[in-house]
Amino acid sequence: AQSVTQLDSQVPVFEEAPVELRCNYSSSVSVYLFWYVQYPNQGLQLLLKYLSGSTLVKGINGFEAEFNKSQTSFHLRKPSVHISDTAEYFCAVSSNAGNMLTFGGGTRLMVKP
Amino acid sequence: GAGVSQSPSNKVTEKGKDVELRCDPISGHTALYWYRQSLGQGLEFLIYFQGNSAPDKSGLPSDRFSAERTGGSVSTLTIQRTQQEDSAVYLCASCLGLGVAEETQYFGPGTRLLVL
Repeated sequence: AQSVTQLDSQVPVFEEAPVELRCNYSSSVSVYLFWYVQYPNQGLQLLLKYLSGSTLVKGINGFEAEFNKSQTSFHLRKPSVHISDTAEYFCAVSSNAGNMLTFGGGTRLMVKP
Repeated sequence: GAGVSQSPSNKVTEKGKDVELRCDPISGHTALYWYRQSLGQGLEFLIYFQGNSAPDKSGLPSDRFSAERTGGSVSTLTIQRTQQEDSAVYLCASCLGLGVAEETQYFGPGTRLLVL
């Protein structure tokens, strides 16, 4: 079984400030890690994913995430956020068993002017 | 190109009625997933179709929920005798279905179901 924990349900931040959204996972098998973003009234869109290799993964819209195996974490970061980054962010894992995603509870990023 | 589409976008129904939710995956995608997004449970997997194989129904919460996929393309999720706790956004996703866990799933906009 696998699970994902997003430690912060809401993260308020001012525009142009840096942000980190935290994600921890647990699994008894190797997993693949994903970050999805959901803008208001829209479906989920892939931001980035970690499969193997370099532990620092760069995604769209200036986001990046770092895989830390020893801490079982996959935190998402952006050095300078924009108002348009206001959305809900979901961390997810999949394994080789059918590829269904297990999601964290989501973090609502609120960027203020 | 066209993404995953779902219909209706919103559905309001009375407790005890049956509802059908439709998903049109991206053309050529052989794998299709249904997820549910609700306030109390977050985002949870419901059912998975891969080609002509028997679907993985391990996430369905009760026998009131069923899904089918006709012709390997369009899928319908049916909820019988709806209950208020079924109120949620139902998301559909598809991917190429190469059978590898690192594949990207592409999500539709969802159907928002409200059971009164």
